[in-house]
Amino acid sequence: EPEVTQTPSHQVTQMGQEVILRCVPISNHLYFYWYRQILGQKVEFLVSFYNNEISEKSEIFDDQFSVERPDGSNFTLKIRSTKLEDSAMYFCASSGSVSNQPQHFGDGTRLSIL
Amino acid sequence: EDQVTQSPEALRLQEGESSSLNCSYTVSGLRGLFWYRQDPGKGPEFLFTLYSAGEEKEKERLKATLTKKESFLHITAPKPEDSATYLCAARASGTYKYIFGTGTRLKVLA
Repeated sequence: EPEVTQTPSHQVTQMGQEVILRCVPISNHLYFYWYRQILGQKVEFLVSFYNNEISEKSEIFDDQFSVERPDGSNFTLKIRSTKLEDSAMYFCASSGSVSNQPQHFGDGTRLSIL
Repeated sequence: EDQVTQSPEALRLQEGESSSLNCSYTVSGLRGLFWYRQDPGKGPEFLFTLYSAGEEKEKERLKATLTKKESFLHITAPKPEDSATYLCAARASGTYKYIFGTGTRLKVLA
């Protein structure tokens, strides 16, 4: 069964450094998403991406965050200057449509900011 | 404000002891109610989508139902391998995002 893959599984970074989280969505999907889950808290929406542009973003997704689909298969989340509070599990998801297909999630990247 | 609330936070069942998990939602123009299973260290695994009140979906020992205010995930004769966190999420009209509840941690004892 097709799946969303994320790399790395765990990323440790010094505060203030840039980090790029990578995702390979399911191949025929058109809609891509990033969510995060701080330990012990809810899964929270960050951003959705369709047709090479951001379609929706949350208040969390401020100027330090950016997303890109650099080629036909990868989808990346960049955090420009990491803060301690960025430590969380980051999940990538994809769907074939918005209206009648569910989002499928990867296993996440655990980001630890020191 | 759109919101999803799940109860109970945690549930321990004996193998074979059926029960139900609750998901209450307050969402503007529901466009889908989703159930996921999450194992430790893994991402949410899709289980069901429900779109309208009265709809029901079944898969093995799980059955999901939907009313205008809440959804239930019924677990019939659970087994230890059903132990996981079960997440409920809702999508509102005019938005792409899923709003998640905090989940119910289910432990099924042999």
